[in-house]
Amino acid sequence: AQSVTQLDSHVSVSEGTPVLLRCNYSSSYSPSLFWYVQHPNKGLQLLLKYTSAATLVKGINGFEAEFKKSETSFHLTKPSAHMSDAAEYFCVVSDTNTNAGKSTFGDGTTLTVKP
Amino acid sequence: GAVVSQHPSWVICKSGTSVKIECRSLDFQATTMFWYRQFPKQSLMLMATSNEGSKATYEQGVEKDKFLINHASLTLSTLTVTSAHPEDSSFYICSATYGTGREDTQYFGPGTRLTVL
Repeated sequence: AQSVTQLDSHVSVSEGTPVLLRCNYSSSYSPSLFWYVQHPNKGLQLLLKYTSAATLVKGINGFEAEFKKSETSFHLTKPSAHMSDAAEYFCVVSDTNTNAGKSTFGDGTTLTVKP
Repeated sequence: GAVVSQHPSWVICKSGTSVKIECRSLDFQATTMFWYRQFPKQSLMLMATSNEGSKATYEQGVEKDKFLINHASLTLSTLTVTSAHPEDSSFYICSATYGTGREDTQYFGPGTRLTVL
């Protein structure tokens, strides 16, 4: 069984300050973990993914995430927020050995960036 | 690379009519396509998984006779909402993958907003 919890439904930061979006997961197997971003009325775009290689994963647009097995966490960070980062972010876990689509989505975190 | 398109991007229909939504992988052959439903301010709910040439696998609680899925080729899957009602109004998103493992990335379409009057 797998599950994912995004600890904050809303995060608000000022432009230029760091971003931290928290995600904890539960998995029976070695999971793959993903972060996706969704802008209003748009589909989802992959930011980064962890697939049992390096625990610190670098993604697009300056985002990165660190897989911490001991804490069952996969928090998303960015050193300096930009106005264009305002969007909905989803943490996703997949631990089935077959059928990549059997993924579980977190409830999402809305990131607001203030000027 | 790995672009997925959906058509139409939005549709308004009358109650009782059927609506077909197309999902295409434009530059790769998708082994599997997925259909999601997303309500406002909520996460994505997986409706069904479809593999080319075989019947779709529906998630629990999703009516397969209401949401018909056809996966005719490795680049095209369609979702038909039959006899649509206002409660079917939602944002429908498809995704596609060309792998078969848990580490494979899903590539998402831009979504289709369905409004049933």
